[in-house]
Amino acid sequence: QQQVKQSPQSLIVQKGGISIINCAYENTAFDYFPWYQQFPGKGPALLIAIRPDVSEKKEGRFTISFNKSAKQFSLHIMDSQPGDSATYFCAATYQGGKLIFGQGTELSVKP
Amino acid sequence: DGGITQSPKYLFRKEGQNVTLSCEQNLNHDAMYWYRQDPGQGLRLIYYSQIVNDFQKGDIAEGYSVSREKKESFPLTVTSAQKNPTAFYLCASTPWLAGATDTQYFGPGTRLTVL
Repeated sequence: QQQVKQSPQSLIVQKGGISIINCAYENTAFDYFPWYQQFPGKGPALLIAIRPDVSEKKEGRFTISFNKSAKQFSLHIMDSQPGDSATYFCAATYQGGKLIFGQGTELSVKP
Repeated sequence: DGGITQSPKYLFRKEGQNVTLSCEQNLNHDAMYWYRQDPGQGLRLIYYSQIVNDFQKGDIAEGYSVSREKKESFPLTVTSAQKNPTAFYLCASTPWLAGATDTQYFGPGTRLTVL
């Protein structure tokens, strides 16, 4: 019940395309769903986050779609660029801020 | 310049040795965390601390120890009891508000290799 399942494990997208990464969870107590971006050899950095009372949140080219009934949420990267090539982690947390991370998706955007 | 610093960036250890990884933050955050990252896996929580002189085990605490004597410092010791210590170790911090959630800010990480 504490798991967050993320797919796909790796993703190759052409420049200008849409990258979509999906996550699913079981614990309905989760109340905060952040996405982190990590470049090789660096620590993760918060990209965008959503709370379950909102179905969609957009920041620039990055959008989170949230489906509370299905217990799923996804990250969409519009107009993907080679600079977006990184590993992306979804996560979920509740109450005390203990984050549960997905397994990560390695995104490669080809020029 | 506020943030989280981890040192060293790379660390090599012989089998049977204990090593200590440093994590310092000047963000005035109450809570601090240690994660382990292995290739193709998500981040796994080792230990976390919400206040000074108090800490809790995470999901994979065996073979690790921590201390929290100062608010800004949360060192992690990888002991010889950790059977597979080669990994990338990440420290994070967050403001602690009882009953609330907040963004975790990560340091740059320490890559530990056991020779």
